[in-house]
Amino acid sequence: DTEVTQTPKHLVMGMTNKKSLKCEQHMGHRAMYWYKQKAKKPPELMFVYSYEKLSINESVPSRFSPECPNSSLLNLHLHALQPEDSALYLCASSQEEGAYEQYFGPGTRLTVT
Amino acid sequence: GQNIDQPTEMTATEGAIVQINCTYQTSGFNGLFWYQQHAGEAPTFLSYNVLDGLEEKGRFSSFLSRSKGYSYLLLKELQMKDSASYLCAVRTDSWGKLQFGAGTQVVVTP
Repeated sequence: DTEVTQTPKHLVMGMTNKKSLKCEQHMGHRAMYWYKQKAKKPPELMFVYSYEKLSINESVPSRFSPECPNSSLLNLHLHALQPEDSALYLCASSQEEGAYEQYFGPGTRLTVT
Repeated sequence: GQNIDQPTEMTATEGAIVQINCTYQTSGFNGLFWYQQHAGEAPTFLSYNVLDGLEEKGRFSSFLSRSKGYSYLLLKELQMKDSASYLCAVRTDSWGKLQFGAGTQVVVTP
């Protein structure tokens, strides 16, 4: 199983809503990542978890709150988002932090109204 | 700052060869990656270079010159399914941080 799954595929939320994005992998990878990708732009790293501990936070606003409940799961909790936060949110995993190959999930297309 | 440059778009004919160049100026260097991304899909890993030289993987080859801050991805025997965005990414430290270029949209025509 070389798959990273993400749910939901699409999400529309208002600026006062609270929602969560989920990511799961069963490859035994110990590093997991959240990226944000705007249309026709490259992915931008948001967070890195290594062995279930937050390793990198790229100065992401606190309205985005990551959580790694166990080594297979990664969540991104969303609260009080702005319309400019609308983007494709990609999850990725790798064997270890710094391992050369990152496997990406299909992403969640988020629209904030 | 970090700067990774690649052309915006390239067009080539089915069966032909296309070379996508990537130049980088980053605060650190610990490997260069190429990813393929079809519209609306996740990026998929194509290649990794950390030492100078050419890495070949089937129809795809990637080259790196660290002294010149330069890499290219060579796509041979182009197929229609190769129409996609190709992302150059530099790992700037020993951890997981990847800095992506803006991507090159390759259009393969019949």
